[in-house]
Amino acid sequence: AQSVTQLDSHVSVSEGTPVLLRCNYSSSYSPSLFWYVQHPNKGLQLLLKYTSAATLVKGINGFEAEFKKSETSFHLTKPSAHMSDAAEYFCVVSRPYNTDKLIFGTGTRLQVFP
Amino acid sequence: ETGVTQSPTHLIKTRGQQVTLRCSSQSGHNTVSWYQQALGQGPQFIFQYYREEENGRGNFPPRFSGLQFPNYSSELNVNALELDDSALYLCASSVDRGEKLFFGSGTQLSVL
Repeated sequence: AQSVTQLDSHVSVSEGTPVLLRCNYSSSYSPSLFWYVQHPNKGLQLLLKYTSAATLVKGINGFEAEFKKSETSFHLTKPSAHMSDAAEYFCVVSRPYNTDKLIFGTGTRLQVFP
Repeated sequence: ETGVTQSPTHLIKTRGQQVTLRCSSQSGHNTVSWYQQALGQGPQFIFQYYREEENGRGNFPPRFSGLQFPNYSSELNVNALELDDSALYLCASSVDRGEKLFFGSGTQLSVL
């Protein structure tokens, strides 16, 4: 069975400093992994996805994530936070090429202070 | 902004009532998935419709049901509402059950 664990429910950073949102996964298959972002009163938006082509995945808005099989991790990073990055971030796992069921983590709320 | 629209945006019902939520998928998309997001939690998969047929269901009771229409819009119906059904209900559309989902802004359902 697949699952994801987001290790921090809240992360606070200052504008211009690096962002690290941590995610560990569990999967009996070779997983597809995603990060989604949810801004208030807006729909979920795909930031990036990993599907085994490359371990370092670049996404939108300067975010990237590294797949580490040995650590079963898929942490999301950004070198420099912007105020507009403040939102809820979800780590997501699904079976490869079978997204009839996305499994979401519980989310990490990112706060960015000026 | 995606082309997925959900209605209504907010809804208040009482226990035991029935509710219908609606979703218009993005143009060209033939797959619709529904998710329930309780407060402080990640979304949970309810079910998916592909070309008007149910194509996968999560761990939700039969009182959660759905439809997909020939224009690929969709409805989520919940009967005999319970307090725990209070949540944000999200609809997502995609092409041919693909992995790139486009989410609507959701319907916030409150059950009193």
